[in-house]
Amino acid sequence: NAGVMQNPRHLVRRRGQEARLRCSPMKGHSHVYWYRQLPEEGLKFMVYLQKENIIDESGMPKERFSAEFPKEGPSILRIQQVVRGDSAAYFCASSPLGADYGYTFGSGTRLTVV
Amino acid sequence: KNEVEQSPQNLTAQEGEFITINCSYSVGISALHWLQQHPGGGIVSLFMLSSGKKKHGRLIATINIQEKHSSLHITASHPRDSAVYICAVTDQIGSNYQLIWGAGTKLIIKP
Repeated sequence: NAGVMQNPRHLVRRRGQEARLRCSPMKGHSHVYWYRQLPEEGLKFMVYLQKENIIDESGMPKERFSAEFPKEGPSILRIQQVVRGDSAAYFCASSPLGADYGYTFGSGTRLTVV
Repeated sequence: KNEVEQSPQNLTAQEGEFITINCSYSVGISALHWLQQHPGGGIVSLFMLSSGKKKHGRLIATINIQEKHSSLHITASHPRDSAVYICAVTDQIGSNYQLIWGAGTKLIIKP
């Protein structure tokens, strides 16, 4: 029973490129949450998705960031035209029926923008 | 003042010692989470509590709703327990997935 799978583990992008981060939730989990951890800071909520729906994106920067969770396949967090300030660890978590049922976290993707 | 406060910020102990990490919060909550983040960065959810006490192996988590306080205990600590332990709560008022995070406690267990 694989846990939450995130890939890649490490991603290096030059300024202006696009970064695509993938998250496959645990089997049977239909709720996905993305968090960002900036260096020396705690995790910040970004977006909450269910299959084919964005439930809450109040933590997402208004520009350059987007997320999706298609009917088939992993959830994708996309960052367009990356800047140095986007360098962070991005964590995905999933839950079966909603956050009250507990989260399982992925190992994160470390994005470095050079 | 942060809504979730953890203490201590850093803790170094010898292998075998009993470890206690504290978490106090100032908001109404629907649940409190304890998570572990290893030096490699991965996050593991240890416990989710809304009342009482939970135990898993050498880890014990307790919560006192009236006092708005939770503790994470590690018995017979081992160097592999070295990690950052994070307390987070889900706010009764806000959305229950928007965790409010403590700053974490960095634990080092020396052999």
